[in-house]
Amino acid sequence: SAVISQKPSRDICQRGTSLTIQCQVDSQVTMMFWYRQQPGQSLTLIATANQGSEATYESGFVIDKFPISRPNLTFSTLTVSNMSPEDSSIYLCSVEPPLGPDTQYFGPGTRLTVL
Amino acid sequence: GENVEQHPSTLSVQEGDSAVIKCTYSDSASNYFPWYKQELGKRPQLIIDIRSNVGEKKDQRIAVTLNKTAKHFSLHITETQPEDSAVYFCAASNNDMRFGAGTRLTVKP
Repeated sequence: SAVISQKPSRDICQRGTSLTIQCQVDSQVTMMFWYRQQPGQSLTLIATANQGSEATYESGFVIDKFPISRPNLTFSTLTVSNMSPEDSSIYLCSVEPPLGPDTQYFGPGTRLTVL
Repeated sequence: GENVEQHPSTLSVQEGDSAVIKCTYSDSASNYFPWYKQELGKRPQLIIDIRSNVGEKKDQRIAVTLNKTAKHFSLHITETQPEDSAVYFCAASNNDMRFGAGTRLTVKP
């Protein structure tokens, strides 16, 4: 499986500010995903980020609020913009390795608290 | 789109007993069904998966069964141990993965 890291691991932010979360993989992957996991809840897909194309957002998530970059095959960022306390959550990236179609491996997550 | 339902939401068993978690899915085109284990404060870890061309898969104490006709699949853990205590998520995928709500398993020593 791929080794995935995320930065920051946690942060406490003020309402109205933005935070960019980084996801780094130790191997080249085509498909990367961003999820949100609210306390005690399941995993909700925010968007799919494929290198060389615009991110595809799920219903309820928009690019203005969650802009995503995917500059190369090992890196992606998710920005949480104009934050409110409702954005407090864990944000996880995941990757689909080239030889394991459909299989996803998760990063350690970023715990965001918005005051 | 795909909808995955998972039951039960909580499950408590005695050490050594078996645990069964069940999921149903709505999209008959889904062809990949992974199970993830998430310990408190940790990332979800893939523990076993099954594809639609297989009815059952086993890995030591863990097994997964799939009934495509009924669109349901189950996770079976035998000889449970306290370290099996965690939240377990099922998922179904046809390119887009959708997760169940999770089952909090507690194994009492």
